[in-house]
Amino acid sequence: DIVMTQSPDSLAVSLGERATINCKSSQSILFIANNKHYLAWYQQKPGQPPKLLLYWASTRGSGVPDRFSGSGSGTDFTLTISSLQAEDVAVYYCQQYYTTPPYTFGQGTRLEIK
Amino acid sequence: EEQLVESGGGLVQPGGSLRLSCAVSGFTFSSYWMIWVRQAPGKGLEWVANIQQDGSNKYYAGSVKGRFTISRDNAKNSLYLQMNSLRAEDTAVYYCARGGSGGSQRPFDYWGQGTQVTVSS
Repeated sequence: DIVMTQSPDSLAVSLGERATINCKSSQSILFIANNKHYLAWYQQKPGQPPKLLLYWASTRGSGVPDRFSGSGSGTDFTLTISSLQAEDVAVYYCQQYYTTPPYTFGQGTRLEIK
Repeated sequence: EEQLVESGGGLVQPGGSLRLSCAVSGFTFSSYWMIWVRQAPGKGLEWVANIQQDGSNKYYAGSVKGRFTISRDNAKNSLYLQMNSLRAEDTAVYYCARGGSGGSQRPFDYWGQGTQVTVSS
């Protein structure tokens, strides 16, 4: 199984500042035939289900603000929030969908306001 | 608007059974892979099972294989999870989610609100 490891486990950032969350896969999740990384990011606010933020490592989901961006390649990926807003307080998960089953998630990163 | 609504959760004794349902509206249910994901209290997300559009292929996490059965009724726009031989470690919020319209290698783009399953004596 592909293991997804996020860092840090928790993060506190001031309003308006940049937040960066990392995700590392235990093997490449790049499908060479279409040059796509099979990686998604989800946001889960307290008491709510997860919401798809990004897929194909960098494509924003429906209605996702452009302050959220994704980057990376091979086995190392990053979620960046360019200017943190109060409503961005949440737990963020990365997920690989390259080798299914099983779909595997990172352990989550808790983002708070400093 | 895509909507997924889970039901059927509750309190059950160890060794007992529960059947979860997920009623879907706002999209062509029969065109999508469907998934169950769970989240234990204070923990992260765990994929449980997924099922192909016509129900022909089903896959399970090792932790539930042989105990849980995923199924769907495309005529009723409904997804199900039959859970048998429940254990304390199955205690979690169970979410249904929508997968891809082609193959299974797609993210989960819509989620229900979840239903709580508690296994305790």
